[in-house]
Amino acid sequence: AQRVTQPEKLLSVFKGAPVELKCNYSYSGSPELFWYVQYSRQRLQLLLRHISRESIKGFTADLNKGETSFHLKKPFAQEEDSAMYYCALFGRSSTSYGKLTFGQGTILTVHP
Amino acid sequence: DTEVTQTPKHLVMGMTNKKSLKCEQHMGHRAMYWYKQKAKKPPELMFVYSYEKLSINESVPSRFSPECPNSSLLNLHLHALQPEDSALYLCASSQAGTRTYGYTFGSGTRLTVV
Repeated sequence: AQRVTQPEKLLSVFKGAPVELKCNYSYSGSPELFWYVQYSRQRLQLLLRHISRESIKGFTADLNKGETSFHLKKPFAQEEDSAMYYCALFGRSSTSYGKLTFGQGTILTVHP
Repeated sequence: DTEVTQTPKHLVMGMTNKKSLKCEQHMGHRAMYWYKQKAKKPPELMFVYSYEKLSINESVPSRFSPECPNSSLLNLHLHALQPEDSALYLCASSQAGTRTYGYTFGSGTRLTVV
């Protein structure tokens, strides 16, 4: 079974402050992890994927297999970062094709 | 074209109606998905199609019937729905294979069952 946990439903910071959105996962195989973002009234968009080790819009995320975590970080939050953020895990069982499972999401609000 | 297009954007249907949701992509993706999303909740997987064949059905009630007529199109046929089926229905696509590089999501169809 695969499971993604985002412990914070809501996260509020001030503009310019660092932000960290937590994500922990449970999966017996080698996971593929992603962060998706959903801005108000917009479609769900891929933000980051762990295999590419990239930085998008100033966000980074590092896969820590020992702690089974994939936290999303940004050193200086901007007001336009306010959105719903979902951590997601792609995994497959031996009997089925792979599937993407989402955490419960964290609503990030960046105050001016 | 790097988008997944879903139609209609909004749909209101009665509990005895039959309707269909449509999804289209031209990115050459061979895996396509239906998700259901309730307000302030994460998307929940309903169906996975891989190479036009149904690969995963997440125990979805039979009043939802998916169809993949070709590699670019995915339909979701709806019949005898209940008010609790009201939600945002999302279509997504991705490259098929041993690993994924992320899904591309459509903007969804907001369904209201009355």
